[in-house]
Amino acid sequence: DQQVKQNSPSLSVQEGRISILNCDYTNSMFDYFLWYKKYPAEGPTFLISISSIKDKNEDGRFTVFLNKSAKHLSLHIVPSQPGDSAVYFCAASDRGSTLGRLYFGRGTQLTVWP
Amino acid sequence: EPEVTQTPSHQVTQMGQEVILRCVPISNHLYFYWYRQILGQKVEFLVSFYNNEISEKSEIFDDQFSVERPDGSNFTLKIRSTKLEDSAMYFCASSFKRGERGELFFGEGSRLTVL
Repeated sequence: DQQVKQNSPSLSVQEGRISILNCDYTNSMFDYFLWYKKYPAEGPTFLISISSIKDKNEDGRFTVFLNKSAKHLSLHIVPSQPGDSAVYFCAASDRGSTLGRLYFGRGTQLTVWP
Repeated sequence: EPEVTQTPSHQVTQMGQEVILRCVPISNHLYFYWYRQILGQKVEFLVSFYNNEISEKSEIFDDQFSVERPDGSNFTLKIRSTKLEDSAMYFCASSFKRGERGELFFGEGSRLTVL
């Protein structure tokens, strides 16, 4: 089951620069997309989401872009901070399924160094 | 800030034993979920629960699994006869309303190790 793919297991970025995390999906029934952040020994924490009717959603330093034709979304973090170091999961929701059933990618470990 | 709490944080059990993982969702939330993450793999949906019944379950959630909301606060996941492949981190989550698309609040997880 590879409906949501995060092909980069890790990303290393210097503090102050932009972090770009990528995610691809294959299921055209997905109509809502989310990013979660996870620190060690904690559960995933919701970060930002986007509906398929939009192509961009911004919240402070975090912006999610959605390219439906390419079935691709990305999370931009500007400027990156050391506290952003965590695993970032892309997730998607299927319009035909229970709200709350999410399909996750494998995650990308982001490391922000000073 | 309200949070989802899970117990135990870590449980070690012998294959074939029953395990109950407990969760206290956020108090005004109505929808409850269990997810799991096998080491090195992705977080996977197990089951969703609303109005005292299962709303949806995945292929993983076979007859060995059951969920219950025995009182007004706890939400439990029972594995009747554990297998080695049940070893994973199990996350409980909750959400407030049906219209809240996907914003689930997760607990810290219960690590299950089956020997």
